[in-house]
Amino acid sequence: KAGVTQTPRYLIKTRGQQVTLSCSPISGHRSVSWYQQTPGQGLQFLFEYFSETQRNKGNFPGRFSGRQFSNSRSEMNVSTLELGDSALYLCASSDGTGAYEQYFGPGTRLTVT
Amino acid sequence: AQTVTQSQPEMSVQEAETVTLSCTYDTSESDYYLFWYKQPPSRQMILVIRQEAYKQQNATENRFSVNFQKAAKSFSLKISDSQLGDAAMYFCACLSKTSYDKVIFGPGTSLSVIP
Repeated sequence: KAGVTQTPRYLIKTRGQQVTLSCSPISGHRSVSWYQQTPGQGLQFLFEYFSETQRNKGNFPGRFSGRQFSNSRSEMNVSTLELGDSALYLCASSDGTGAYEQYFGPGTRLTVT
Repeated sequence: AQTVTQSQPEMSVQEAETVTLSCTYDTSESDYYLFWYKQPPSRQMILVIRQEAYKQQNATENRFSVNFQKAAKSFSLKISDSQLGDAAMYFCACLSKTSYDKVIFGPGTSLSVIP
């Protein structure tokens, strides 16, 4: 099986812009979770989608949003970018039914200037 | 709310030796999972080992084993016969079964392996 893929791998944006990141889960997985990783805050949970519904949400401002499509692919959007949004954004997929074993993608490195 | 603490920001071990990474957690849930993830310089997160809280037997995966002390809320990782490829950041993590896939991670321990 192909692993979790994330696009793009690297991104440079300017403050105030918006950005959309994409995640394709492992075939058959219906749950996609998003995490933000920074040196200062570590790994923080953003949100989780299962069958196109957001089931769980972390403590991030409304500028961070996501969605999931019928094919389980997920996108994450950040509007009005701030310098502090510079981070590695990781997505992980699982079958979402109780195995609780997440498989991570390689991440998208976002730099905000 | 769940919290995960890793008190050792950095550790080092000689190749072929054994090292233990510490982790403590706090949760009010009675049914949960604990994990150790490895993140090498490539940044690809890899699941190392998983422990279900209701299982008393400590999980093992080849050279990796855990010491799970439920009452003390402690979950340490032991790496035996350390190899150069074990050098990475190691994250301890906790998942409540009622929180779907919301995994709470500790701050990580950077492990160096000395040849």
